[in-house]
Amino acid sequence: QKEVEQDPGPLSVPEGAIVSLNCTYSNSAFQYFMWYRQYSRKGPELLMYTYSSGNKEDGRFTAQVDKSSKYISLFIRDSQPSDSATYLCAMIRGAQKLVFGQGTRLTINP
Amino acid sequence: DAGITQSPRHKVTETGTPVTLRCHQTENHRYMYWYRQDPGHGLRLIHYSYGVKDTDKGEVSDGYSVSRSKTEDFLLTLESATSSQTSVYFCAITRAGRQETQYFGPGTRLLVL
Repeated sequence: QKEVEQDPGPLSVPEGAIVSLNCTYSNSAFQYFMWYRQYSRKGPELLMYTYSSGNKEDGRFTAQVDKSSKYISLFIRDSQPSDSATYLCAMIRGAQKLVFGQGTRLTINP
Repeated sequence: DAGITQSPRHKVTETGTPVTLRCHQTENHRYMYWYRQDPGHGLRLIHYSYGVKDTDKGEVSDGYSVSRSKTEDFLLTLESATSSQTSVYFCAITRAGRQETQYFGPGTRLLVL
């Protein structure tokens, strides 16, 4: 069983929809939780990071962490075609060790 | 843009040949990382460095070695490339020692025939 599970999709939604992306994890030692966006043939780009349970908002993006359920989410409001990308969750356990989900491929249809 | 460049950006090589990938950063960051990205596996850590001449292994280090003789350069070497090392390789840095803020380079696509 992988430490971090992420539905690979693909996920296709119409423009303007609310998108929910999720990851589950098994190791309660994870402390920081990140979301990266990766466009085709590009490097991952850090979107947001959170430390504790709760919500963190940045523009149209909201990251949510529920440590009791070992579950994290990224919500995208008013989705745009430019949001079409692969979204990767990542978590830190111990020093220097990021563990990534396998990524969810998202397409926003105009 | 995190001031990271990778070279080469694309490479095709044959099984058994040595290959060196270079990561160069311009912002004097202490921590640098090498990852590989494969379908179904996401990004996996190969090696990382926490200073000049200070390196350590990640989860998929077999068949790879690294060197860091200058702060700005982190080299990844495949001593004898195998087809299973066909992948996209990403270098990353951490700003201000904060692991939750890793920034990635553009990647190197390596094909081992």
